[in-house]
Amino acid sequence: SYELTQPPSVSVSPGQTARITCSGDALPKKYAYWYQQKSGQAPVLVIYEDSKRPSGIPERFSGSSSGTMATLTISGAQVEDEADYYCYSTDSSGLGVFGGGTKLTVL
Amino acid sequence: EVQLVQSGAEVKKPGESLKISCKGSGYSFTSYWIGWVRQMPGKGLEWMGIIYPGDSDTRYSPSFQGQVTISADKSISTAYLQWSSLKASDTAMYYCARGYSSSRFDYWGQGTLVTVSS
Repeated sequence: SYELTQPPSVSVSPGQTARITCSGDALPKKYAYWYQQKSGQAPVLVIYEDSKRPSGIPERFSGSSSGTMATLTISGAQVEDEADYYCYSTDSSGLGVFGGGTKLTVL
Repeated sequence: EVQLVQSGAEVKKPGESLKISCKGSGYSFTSYWIGWVRQMPGKGLEWMGIIYPGDSDTRYSPSFQGQVTISADKSISTAYLQWSSLKASDTAMYYCARGYSSSRFDYWGQGTLVTVSS
């Protein structure tokens, strides 16, 4: 079955840039999406179609994709950005899959 | 205002059946996908499957095919996730989400906690 691989954890100090990667063999042909989940809450879409930002999501969130890797970048991370981040994409059949998640610590 | 309101928490015994719901409002229910996502305690998100209420096109993750049934009743703008025989390993939070496309889940329900224990 198709897998998306993320680092388990990323840690930055407030104001630094956080980068979270997601690797998958189908990413050259399929979009990546990024979801933020804070403790005890439902996920929130922060990036769609590799690099587009939904309305209401701060500009410090950006996304990119190159080859088999997609990257979520948080420029000037804030304490309130501390959360689990999940990449999402589809396999060649159009079936969805989430990455394992990355816990972002900002302190 | 777009809202997805899920049914309340459930406590069931192994072998029992269950159907949880997700009611959409504030948008055209038949024009968007509804996806279901499982989150086991302390674990990550797992994509279970999606349905397009407009024509009932339904797709399942291979991991969940045959284990659950996804359906929708467009007359009452409600999607469902059901089990015929629950296992303890079905204990999890289940989220529904509106799919702007089959991948872009822009609104989420509050989650339904299902606990299966003897």
